[in-house]
Amino acid sequence: DAKTTQPNSMESNEEEPVHLPCNHSTISGTDYIHWYRQLPSQGPEYVIHGLTSNVNNRMASLAIAEDRKSSTLILHRATLRDAAVYYCILRESAGGTSYGKLTFGQGTILTVHP
Amino acid sequence: DTAVSQTPKYLVTQMGNDKSIKCEQNLGHDTMYWYKQDSKKFLKIMFSYNNKELIINETVPNRFSPKSPDKAHLNLHINSLELGDSAVYFCASSPSGTGSGNTIYFGEGSWLTVV
Repeated sequence: DAKTTQPNSMESNEEEPVHLPCNHSTISGTDYIHWYRQLPSQGPEYVIHGLTSNVNNRMASLAIAEDRKSSTLILHRATLRDAAVYYCILRESAGGTSYGKLTFGQGTILTVHP
Repeated sequence: DTAVSQTPKYLVTQMGNDKSIKCEQNLGHDTMYWYKQDSKKFLKIMFSYNNKELIINETVPNRFSPKSPDKAHLNLHINSLELGDSAVYFCASSPSGTGSGNTIYFGEGSWLTVV
């Protein structure tokens, strides 16, 4: 399984942007970069995903390095509701035995201060 | 409407008992999953079904048996419960598992405590 490396924790102040980094140096050409988050006592929630180009949606932006060996999840204005564990995941092509499963790492615990 | 629903949300039971957790999704997805989150908060996949067919079976004790009566349901039955089975179990679903860009939707989890 392809692996990702994230900082264990990060802190931010409310209303400020947050940049959550992720390294995935062993990414293969067909792996998608997914970000999920898990709020306290809830199931993981999809945030964003991309393959090569930067992506934007209503929740966040995803900046992908040109060599695809790293990516950054950007929360443009953090709110208290964004406090969660953020997981950067490489979703493997379903052509092999992985069937496109998500393999979660430790994630980054994001704390947002008022 | 809840997209992926699990029941029960909380379950406390004694060692040696047999219990089931039910999962239903109303998203029309072909693929469903069971994940386990232990006390250290690691999320690990256990099983995945695609159109009622088992496609992923990680190293899980035989006491755990998934059953998919139809593609909208994936139930998890656990025999002879042990203390180490205490965890949060998440059901999830996605469109056909062949799309790496597909989103996976998770339920709210079932908190199992074995005493």
